[in-house]
Amino acid sequence: GENVEQHPSTLSVQEGDSAVIKCTYSDSASNYFPWYKQELGKRPQLIIDIRSNVGEKKDQRIAVTLNKTAKHFSLHITETQPEDSAVYFCAGRGPNRGSTLGRLYFGRGTQLTVWP
Amino acid sequence: SAVISQKPSRDICQRGTSLTIQCQVDSQVTMMFWYRQQPGQSLTLIATANQGSEATYESGFVIDKFPISRPNLTFSTLTVSNMSPEDSSIYLCSAHQNPGVVTEAFFGQGTRLTVV
Repeated sequence: GENVEQHPSTLSVQEGDSAVIKCTYSDSASNYFPWYKQELGKRPQLIIDIRSNVGEKKDQRIAVTLNKTAKHFSLHITETQPEDSAVYFCAGRGPNRGSTLGRLYFGRGTQLTVWP
Repeated sequence: SAVISQKPSRDICQRGTSLTIQCQVDSQVTMMFWYRQQPGQSLTLIATANQGSEATYESGFVIDKFPISRPNLTFSTLTVSNMSPEDSSIYLCSAHQNPGVVTEAFFGQGTRLTVV
């Protein structure tokens, strides 16, 4: 099955700086890559996603880039704020086959801390 | 996007007993998934709940321990059977509309289970 690796496991930045989290995946047939933000004690919330036919997507301070050749994708947060502090998970959706089609494979998560 | 109501939000249970967690979606969804999340860890898929057929379990998880029901396209339950302290964790359900179309996966608010 798909294997998603995520780095770094922890990231500390000063307010206003940028933060970058990187993920790699193993299955070239994967076609959908969401990013989730999980605050302490809360459910994961989708913050941005990208499909395999797109190289980059932006939503205000958040952007995701995808390099299909290298099989990696990255989350970029600019002008970070203390409320961006949370755990961020990348995920890849495996190819549509079998009885588990559509399942997500999650990275290990990145604890982002933004210092005021 | 759909909304998932998951209950209970938390419970403290005696070892040897069973707990059933319920997830209700406000719209019909094709695929539902059950995850376990240990504190500070990523999401581990337990099983995929398919309407009209048996659930598909991931390696390390078995039906006798985690029986799942999926009676219709808006509801699913996960039972944690014969609990031990090692089952203490957060359990999350997730769903998305149609695996044939790339759509967002959304989560219930989670069930924090403590086994004593």
